[in-house]
Amino acid sequence: QVLLQESGPGLAKPSETLSLTCTVSGGTVISSSYYWGWIRLPPGKGLEWIGSIYYGGSTYYKPSLKSRVTMSLDTSRNLFSLKLSSVTAADTAVYYCARLQVWSSGICDSWGQGTLVTVSS
Amino acid sequence: EIVMTQTPLSLSVTPGQPASMSCKSSQSLLHSDGKTYLYWYLQKAGQPPQLLIYEVSNRFSGVPDRFSGSGSGTDFTLKISRVEAEDVGIYYCLQSVDLWTFGQGTKVELK
Repeated sequence: QVLLQESGPGLAKPSETLSLTCTVSGGTVISSSYYWGWIRLPPGKGLEWIGSIYYGGSTYYKPSLKSRVTMSLDTSRNLFSLKLSSVTAADTAVYYCARLQVWSSGICDSWGQGTLVTVSS
Repeated sequence: EIVMTQTPLSLSVTPGQPASMSCKSSQSLLHSDGKTYLYWYLQKAGQPPQLLIYEVSNRFSGVPDRFSGSGSGTDFTLKISRVEAEDVGIYYCLQSVDLWTFGQGTKVELK
């Protein structure tokens, strides 16, 4: 069974870059069967899809975040990463990583437990 | 960007009674491959979301048959035939025909 685990600083300062990684165990990120995605849940708000990455390097970002988001795969360490630049308090959220099925791209069949990132000076 | 609109935003249900919620998309979720890319998730407090329904009406593995999904094009519905205590949480629809977008959620609580 595949397991995903988010890691990274729980606190980021305004205007800085938020960096998170999602380590995958029990499976490989080098697979044509999956996308790897980031989703967040701001306090008191709903789920927001941030972006997805495919093993070939293709990336897909939420249009309103596209200028600030970079996602990448690290195949040697079997993980994928999220960088969100120029953060503000509005980026405070629980950040989840997830595995998405390519054959039906809305199927997120595995999730990390989530990590809270607070943006504050 | 496709906008997903869910109604109602909250629902208070007596255990054992049915519940229904709606999700409307700003454009058709029917892809040229014949699939409709509409999904339903439930997020319980303190947990990651869990998939209930994929491609409009297919229950995901292990999902009780009291959950059912229907709809086409831009209008979709999730029904719970008899609400149980474990069904409390926030229900989200998700589209993936063009990137991915969640609805704003419907919060279900017990009376």
